[in-house]
Amino acid sequence: GAVVSQHPSRVICKSGTSVKIECRSLDFQATTMFWYRQFPKQSLMLMATSNEGSKATYEQGVEKDKFLINHASLTLSTLTVTSAHPEDSSFYICSAIPGGGYGYTFGSGTRLTVV
Amino acid sequence: EDQVTQSPEALRLQEGESSSLNCSYTVSGLRGLFWYRQDPGKGPEFLFTLYSAGEEKEKERLKATLTKKESFLHITAPKPEDSATYLCAVQEAGAGSYQLTFGKGTKLSVIP
Repeated sequence: GAVVSQHPSRVICKSGTSVKIECRSLDFQATTMFWYRQFPKQSLMLMATSNEGSKATYEQGVEKDKFLINHASLTLSTLTVTSAHPEDSSFYICSAIPGGGYGYTFGSGTRLTVV
Repeated sequence: EDQVTQSPEALRLQEGESSSLNCSYTVSGLRGLFWYRQDPGKGPEFLFTLYSAGEEKEKERLKATLTKKESFLHITAPKPEDSATYLCAVQEAGAGSYQLTFGKGTKLSVIP
């Protein structure tokens, strides 16, 4: 139990295009999900907190117009990287809290490469 | 100043050679300290949550302990399949606070 599914696992896109990443809680409902970014040999950095039915909360320095978050249901949050540029290339990971002692459960991550 | 510092950055062990990873933290109040394992190109896999000083948890060859300033992840008789990056994260006490602050991790390599 307590699985968070993230798709796609890898995506390559051209500079200037948009990319959508999906995060689903498979066997529990998640009113809150979290989006992280991880650069090589660096910590996971929280980008935003996604709340079902309301606006996401973005961390300082994260452009909300560039990283669009939609949490339209209790099992799905999406992150859209708009007008992507090479500096947006990174590993993006979502997380949710299933409860029941599972801690924060993470998706398998999405490797975004912007060329 | 980093709130979560992990050491060493990298550790190479021979199979069967026990050791410990360190996670020191500086927060005004700790709600929880988390240990995760991360394999290359994958998301973190939950290992343990510790809530108060003196608490210990075990899972197979891993044992996590917590003091007021640091946590240790002890690895007993490691196997090559234990090779991974081990991440420590803290959740600071505060109303409605869910944010986790991660350390940079310790990359463990276990040599057969």
